[in-house]
Amino acid sequence: AQKVTQAQTEISVVEKEDVTLDCVYETRDTTYYLFWYKQPPSGELVFLIRRNSFDEQNEISGRYSWNFQKSTSSFNFTITASQVVDSAVYFCALRVDNYGQNFVFGPGTRLSVLP
Amino acid sequence: DTEVTQTPKHLVMGMTNKKSLKCEQHMGHRAMYWYKQKAKKPPELMFVYSYEKLSINESVPSRFSPECPNSSLLNLHLHALQPEDSALYLCASSQELAQTYEQYFGPGTRLTVT
Repeated sequence: AQKVTQAQTEISVVEKEDVTLDCVYETRDTTYYLFWYKQPPSGELVFLIRRNSFDEQNEISGRYSWNFQKSTSSFNFTITASQVVDSAVYFCALRVDNYGQNFVFGPGTRLSVLP
Repeated sequence: DTEVTQTPKHLVMGMTNKKSLKCEQHMGHRAMYWYKQKAKKPPELMFVYSYEKLSINESVPSRFSPECPNSSLLNLHLHALQPEDSALYLCASSQELAQTYEQYFGPGTRLTVT
């Protein structure tokens, strides 16, 4: 079975602080894809990144960076110099098969960035 | 244009009403999804359409009835709902059903059943 754990339920930081959101996944499949989505208060889930299991390169996109480590089954997300607009719920997700099932979301981490 | 639109944004309905939620995408995606999201929970998959055919039904009660009239549109027909069905209903689409493709979500319809 597949599982995604986001141990941090809620995080509060002050603007301009760096913050890391943890994601740990479980799967026995060797081919899988990991995703991060952002859900602001408006409700829409915004796609941030997709990473496949064969690509362990870290990724940086502006103030966002992702650290994928297969050895620890983790796919952590760091926001550098956080801003109030980063306040949202962030979901890590795992997908392992080709048929739509098993798109497993983690429980989410609510990030509040205070001015 | 990576936009998925949903109407209405808010819906209040009684338990005896019949209503429909609508979703539209113009990205040429061939897979479309309905999710249900309760407060402070992740989205839960309800239905998946691939090439306009129902591919997955996650044991959803029959009071929810999906429909895919064409490759750009997805409807969710609601009938005889219960108060516990109140939630945010999200539509999503992806290029294909395969695991490699990310899903793009609409803003959702916030449904309240009274």
